[in-house]
Amino acid sequence: QVQLVQSGAEVRKPGSSVKVSCKASGDTFSSYGFSWVRQAPGQGLEWMGEVIPISGSANYAQKFQGRVTISADTYLQTAYMELSSLTSEDTAVYYCARGPLGGNSMIYCDLWGQGTLVTVSS
Amino acid sequence: SFVLTQPPSVSVAPGETARIPCGGNNIGSKSVHWYQQTPGQAPVLVIYYDRNRPSGIPERFSGSNSGNTATLTISRVEAGDEADYYCQVWHTADYVLFGGGTKLTVL
Repeated sequence: QVQLVQSGAEVRKPGSSVKVSCKASGDTFSSYGFSWVRQAPGQGLEWMGEVIPISGSANYAQKFQGRVTISADTYLQTAYMELSSLTSEDTAVYYCARGPLGGNSMIYCDLWGQGTLVTVSS
Repeated sequence: SFVLTQPPSVSVAPGETARIPCGGNNIGSKSVHWYQQTPGQAPVLVIYYDRNRPSGIPERFSGSNSGNTATLTISRVEAGDEADYYCQVWHTADYVLFGGGTKLTVL
């Protein structure tokens, strides 16, 4: 069964970094793109960026440029999202999502991970 | 940048038809995708490329897109359809862009 399995919940202090992983199973990893989408408590979905494993390229939302790094390891079939300079406003559930490619970007998300809660607190 | 506008809430009685709009400037020229999210769960794709249903999504879910509004339509609404619904487009410079979400309440 095709699924995305994310790493477990994290607690970080303000100013630190967090790295979340997303392992894909059951399908051709490099045929897709992988996005990271976050959802703050009681809020909507916010796209952060994506990685295209077949090219190794990444695209980021302007809001997160310089603070987020999204990467992929095709051998391990795993995507990663690292967010630095954390503040309390980064407390959220972080989802990875897989999607088909159009050119050098994802078009939509056809499969989602279970989500990873990141809590930023002193 | 491109903006997708959704009403915060829509209410409908069981068995009726729910229509959830997603507004954007000339959104009819773009492809719109829709997600359903129930409390505590990850989103699920319910419509892609305006009107296509992924495997496993009931035929009661349909989509349309024209002019400045895309619409997700849920026929014969059931209690289990109560959820948040998000529209999404791909837009140059913004890449993947979500609407603010609409909470569907089944009365």
